[in-house]
Amino acid sequence: DTAVSQTPKYLVTQMGNDKSIKCEQNLGHDTMYWYKQDSKKFLKIMFSYNNKELIINETVPNRFSPKSPDKAHLNLHINSLELGDSAVYFCASSIWTSGATGELFFGEGSRLTVL
Amino acid sequence: GDSVTQMEGPVTLSEEAFLTINCTYTATGYPSLFWYVQYPGEGLQLLLKATKADDKGSNKGFEATYRKETTSFHLEKGSVQVSDSAVYFCALSKSTNTGNQFYFGTGTSLTVIP
Repeated sequence: DTAVSQTPKYLVTQMGNDKSIKCEQNLGHDTMYWYKQDSKKFLKIMFSYNNKELIINETVPNRFSPKSPDKAHLNLHINSLELGDSAVYFCASSIWTSGATGELFFGEGSRLTVL
Repeated sequence: GDSVTQMEGPVTLSEEAFLTINCTYTATGYPSLFWYVQYPGEGLQLLLKATKADDKGSNKGFEATYRKETTSFHLEKGSVQVSDSAVYFCALSKSTNTGNQFYFGTGTSLTVIP
């Protein structure tokens, strides 16, 4: 049973389209994240939600909109796709305990290619 | 602000060679430190971690020691295998009032040749 699952794994689309990536975790974690990994493997945090509340919203174009319907799900919707959005997007989750940090569990990634 | 700096790659080693990937950090407070590994086409997975100074994390023959005096968490393995070829990320995390914050290094690509 996959701990953090993302769909789709691959996404090829045209510039200007709108697309969504879904993420679900079955670990009972209370915090979920979206990361973007570029072609040089650099990881950039995009968003973080704790108990459905937006915690981190880094400098990301407002074409990117996360939605967390419940603690176990964090979806990413992207409007008006641009060439520079091509990347691998990773969902991750962790459990937050005051004064201690749990590890991050990552999904397998969703490779987005914008043509 | 908090950050992680790790050795630039790529690194190419022969099988059974000794591996060191350097990682230093800047952080206030008491972060936890991690090494993550990403195999080709996969997501990141935890390799090892250390939560306080002088702790040693170890897994699959890899180890790293949390050194507060040098703010370092270098990854080492005595004898690498072809199957260790992957990208390695050093990371730190801190607990805040609103959740965990994670900071990743830029990743170091390792290729092990037979």
